[in-house]
Amino acid sequence: AQKVTQAQTEISVVEKEDVTLDCVYETRDTTYYLFWYKQPPSGELVFLIRRNSFDEQNEISGRYSWNFQKSTSSFNFTITASQVVDSAVYFCALTRLNSGGYQKVTFGTGTKLQVIP
Amino acid sequence: GAVVSQHPSWVICKSGTSVKIECRSLDFQATTMFWYRQFPKQSLMLMATSNEGSKATYEQGVEKDKFLINHASLTLSTLTVTSAHPEDSSFYICSASREGNSPLHFGNGTRLTVT
Repeated sequence: AQKVTQAQTEISVVEKEDVTLDCVYETRDTTYYLFWYKQPPSGELVFLIRRNSFDEQNEISGRYSWNFQKSTSSFNFTITASQVVDSAVYFCALTRLNSGGYQKVTFGTGTKLQVIP
Repeated sequence: GAVVSQHPSWVICKSGTSVKIECRSLDFQATTMFWYRQFPKQSLMLMATSNEGSKATYEQGVEKDKFLINHASLTLSTLTVTSAHPEDSSFYICSASREGNSPLHFGNGTRLTVT
């Protein structure tokens, strides 16, 4: 069974502070993908990143960076110099590839980030 | 721009009526789409996997006669909530990927309120 744990329910930071959102996952699969999605108050899910289980390189995209550590089953997300527009709920998710090639996604419970101006 | 379109964005209906929600992949064919349900301040729970040209695969605990899924074409899947009750009020969101292992894209979701 797959499981994604986001222990931080809510985080508040002051604008320009850095913030890290934690994600710990469980899976028996050797091949899997990890995602981060952003859900602003409007409700849509915005894709941020996908990482496969064979690629442990950290990634940076602008103010966003991700730290994937297979040894600790973690895929943490850091926002540098946070902005008010970063306020949203962030979901970490885990997928496995079925034999048909499509994905079945397990989501964490989400972390609500509030950036205070 | 959006690659998955969902309609309507919100709907209010009376108890006992049925509501249909559409999910379209805009510029790609999706043999598989996924339907999720999200209660307020909670995570997304997979309801079913919609397969083009065949029956949907429902997750445990999801009533297939209650939530009818039709995937009649490679770009359209529909979710019909039949005989809706207030407890069906929720945020429903669909997703699809361009190909087997490409990132999932989500529609904007449909907020259903049953009165």
